[in-house]
Amino acid sequence: GESVGLHLPTLSVQEGDNSIINCAYSNSASDYFIWYKQESGKGPQFIIDIRSNMDKRQGQRVTVLLNKTVKHLSLQIAATQPGDSAVYFCAEKNTGNQFYFGTGTSLTVIP
Amino acid sequence: EAGVAQSPRYKIIEKRQSVAFWCNPISGHATLYWYQQILGQGPKLLIQFQNNGVVDDSQLPKDRFSAERLKGVDSTLKIQPAKLEDSAVYLCASSSNADTQYFGPGTRLTVL
Repeated sequence: GESVGLHLPTLSVQEGDNSIINCAYSNSASDYFIWYKQESGKGPQFIIDIRSNMDKRQGQRVTVLLNKTVKHLSLQIAATQPGDSAVYFCAEKNTGNQFYFGTGTSLTVIP
Repeated sequence: EAGVAQSPRYKIIEKRQSVAFWCNPISGHATLYWYQQILGQGPKLLIQFQNNGVVDDSQLPKDRFSAERLKGVDSTLKIQPAKLEDSAVYLCASSSNADTQYFGPGTRLTVL
């Protein structure tokens, strides 16, 4: 079966610092990965994605890194703001077009 | 562009009762997903539709859960009879390309 795990269930950072959220995946054949942000009482919100033929992708204040050798995914948030406080999920899509979500990391930004 | 709509937002029922959730995806999105999210966990896919056909329902407990998307637009998810362990948020998502998914706000179900 699939296994998408996160190294740390909670993360606290000072406002203005950079945040790094990590994720491990188990299926080396997965070809598409997504990071979602979920605020309390809301559905997950798409942040950034990356395909397996890339190792880095940048968005606005966010960067996703993919290391296929060790099956590791990370989300970097630059200059973290209080509005970034949420639970962050990584998700992978396998070759059967099935999506698997990790458990989530709760990010708290300290003003 | 309107997002994914779901109703109701909250539902409380007793075990062994039945319940139905409704989802209206983003206009033009062919792919629709239903997820179950238990408190403290990530969403788990229950069923995926492509237009009005089922693509994947391997994780749907078919003895009590059913879903349909008859006209390839709106979808309903039903639980009958409900169990205590069905308490969760039920999320609907849609996609135009079977990759990027847009989620609705979810329906929080409490089974007493």
